[in-house]
Formats: sequence, C-alpha cells, structure tokens
Amino acid sequence: NAGVTQTPKFQVLKTGQSMTLQCAQDMNHEYMSWYRQDPGMGLRLIHYSVGAGITDQGEVPNGYNVSRSTTEDFPLRLLSAAPSQTSVYFCASSQKRGETQYFGPGTRLLVL
Amino acid sequence: SQQGEEDPQALSIQEGENATMNCSYKTSINNLQWYRQNSGRGLVHLILIRSNEREKHSGRLRVTLDTSKKSSSLLITASRAADTASYFCATDSGGGNKLTFGTGTQLKVEL
Repeated sequence: NAGVTQTPKFQVLKTGQSMTLQCAQDMNHEYMSWYRQDPGMGLRLIHYSVGAGITDQGEVPNGYNVSRSTTEDFPLRLLSAAPSQTSVYFCASSQKRGETQYFGPGTRLLVL
Repeated sequence: SQQGEEDPQALSIQEGENATMNCSYKTSINNLQWYRQNSGRGLVHLILIRSNEREKHSGRLRVTLDTSKKSSSLLITASRAADTASYFCATDSGGGNKLTFGTGTQLKVEL
C-alpha cells in the first residue's frame, strides 16, 4: 500500500492564482483531513470529510474549498492564492473518527 | 485556537538519557495521541491513550494521562540520535474528525 500520497511536493504561486492540492489514500479510510503547518503554530485543521460526499469546515477554512467524490481522493482547492497561504499542507486519513491518523508527506506552498 | 500545549518547546539531551515532554489541554477528550515529525516530513503516529486509561507503553515510549489535570506526558527512555524530531500531542474532543494539535516539542538528542 502507498498509504497517503500528496502532489505536488512543492509549488510556487503568484498572488491571485488558483490551484488544487491532490491527496489520495489506498487504505479505504472513511475519514480524511487537510491541515496546514506554520512555524510555531503546530497543525491547524482546514477541512475534513467523514465520507464520500460529506465535508465540513475546520479551524481555518477561509480561502479553501474541498470536495470528496470518492473514498480515495480529497483535493484541496485554493481559490485565489494569498501570501498568507504560504505554508506546508498535510493530508491525513483515518479508519475511524478521532483515531490514529496517517499523514501524507506534505506539500510546500509558496505564494509570492 | 490550540487545544494542546506542549512543554518544553525545545529539549536537548545526550544519547542514552530519558526525555520527558508534557502536554496540557483545555476541554474534555475522548483520547489523546502523540505524533513524531522528522524535519520536513509528515507526522507519524506514536501512541494513542483513551480517556479511561492512565498509562500506556510502546517499546521505549511511556505515555501517561491525567484527565483531572488535563495533562499528558510522553517519556522516551534511553534516547537515541534517531529520536531527534518534533513531538506533537493531539486531542480528540468528539465531533467530526477534529484532532486538535499542539505546537510541539523539538527534541534534539546529541551523541
């Protein structure tokens, strides 16, 4: 099993551009989440999903959209990138709600 | 806002010594988890302790949970240079899939 995969590994955007961060898992997990990690602030939850077709907002959802059309995929869309969205983004999945999360390797995003 | 706060923020020890880091949280929880993050990598799950458990072991790791004080500690015994990493606690307070992470403890184990 590949576990949780994320693409791209690194991306540079200009302010105002849009892009999609891809996340996929092959463990048949129902629960998936997106976090951003900024220096000195730990991980903050952006959006999460409890199953295909069901998503909800986390702590810092503004400027991001998600969808969950399949169990495997959970893409994160930046609608109009801003320098404040410069961060490292992690996708995670878990088999049960609130249980052990398996993380992807992360996407480093730089918004100029 | 952060649910968990780790203490200390940074810790430097010699190989072979024990490392202890603490986590405090604010609201009642279903479980508390500890994760390790090597520089530039994703987080790796270490151990999960449920609210009705007081202590749990996994190899060289020992986790305690005191729900009355809303705190947990992670002890790494006989540390190795490979234990150098950031360690995060995360709490599950129920609802959705909302694990809330602390700001982490940076552990450096020197030879």
